[in-house]
This record gives sequence, C-alpha cells and structure tokens, in this order.
Amino acid sequence: DAGVTQSPTHLIKTRGQQVTLRCSPKSGHDTVSWYQQALGQGPQFIFQYYEEEERQRGNFPDRFSGHQFPNYSSELNVNALLLGDSALYLCASSLVSGGYTFGSGTRLTVV
Amino acid sequence: DQQVKQNSPSLSVQEGRISILNCDYTNSMFDYFLWYKKYPAEGPTFLISISSIKDKNEDGRFTVFLNKSAKHLSLHIVPSQPGDSAVYFCAARASGTYKYIFGTGTRLKVLA
Repeated sequence: DAGVTQSPTHLIKTRGQQVTLRCSPKSGHDTVSWYQQALGQGPQFIFQYYEEEERQRGNFPDRFSGHQFPNYSSELNVNALLLGDSALYLCASSLVSGGYTFGSGTRLTVV
Repeated sequence: DQQVKQNSPSLSVQEGRISILNCDYTNSMFDYFLWYKKYPAEGPTFLISISSIKDKNEDGRFTVFLNKSAKHLSLHIVPSQPGDSAVYFCAARASGTYKYIFGTGTRLKVLA
C-alpha cells in the first residue's frame, strides 16, 4: 500500500520564478495538508484541502496557493519565489479528522 | 509566538535506558496532541497521540503523558534502542481547527 507520494524530490529555482509541487495521498485518505519546514524548525502549516476546497489556511502570503483534484491528489503553487521560500515542503494526508501520514517532502532551493 | 515549545534541542541516552522528551504549550484550546519521529531524508512518521480527555496513552515502548494544568506533555521511550535515534516533534491542534502546530524538535541519540 503506497503511502504519500510527493514529486519532485528536489528542485532548484531562481528568485521570481513560479513552482508547482505535487502530492498523491495515501490510499483511502481524502484530506491533504501542506507544511513548510525550514532548516532547524518544525513544520509550519500552509493550508489544508478537503473536498477540493481550501478548508483552513496558515499565515502564508497569497503567493502560496493550492488545488485538490477529484482523486484527492493536490498541488502546491508558489509564485514570485523568494530566497526565504527555500525549505522542505511536506504533504500530509489524512481522513477528515485523523492523524497525518507524511510524504518524504520536496526540497526546494531558491537561488 | 511559538505556541508549542521543545526546549531541549538534543538528548543523548544510553541504549536500554529511558528517554524522556518534553514539550510545553501555551494555548489552552489545544485538545489533541501528537508525537512524530523524523529520520534524515524522510517525512515525519506518526508515533503516538493523546486527547486532552486523557492523561496517559501507551503503545508498546512509547508512552505519552499529558499534564493539562502545567500545559506540558512528555514522551517516554522504554527501553531506548539505537534505531530510535531521530528528531522527535510534538504537535498540537486546537478544538475546531484542522491545523497542527509543531514544536522545533528534539534530536535524540541513543548510544549503543
């Protein structure tokens, strides 16, 4: 049974560019949450998607947007990249109110 | 404002002994708590959870204790094994919300 799959695993982008990260949830899970983990910090909540709608959002600017598809997979888009956006981006899937299963993350480096 | 704090960035324990990882929180609305373990180059892995209606939850070698009056929870690992060496995060969620707030993690090293 595949867990949470994230792609790509690593990515290097230039300041000002746009990036799209992808996540396939664990089989049977219908909720996807995205977190940003900077070096030496804990994961920070970006937003959560359920039934293709953004259900809750953390303290991130509008440059961060997302989408959930009918098959429950999700994308995280970041526009106008800044150096400070360099981090590990984690996708977590769950049932509506359950605990998370995390993917291995996408390491984004902005240069 | 860090609502979930793990004040010990690192901890070293001898194999076979008890590991105690601590976590403090400030938001009295938190009602559900999780512990995750993270190895390098992997995503966090769920370990154990506890609801605010309980003060203890046990799963094998792992026990989580919750002291609501002190706004403190701890994870006990007995006996500690070298494979337990990882970064441990506690996380909390407030009632009526969906987001978990994570601490900054404690790196546990179990010495053989």
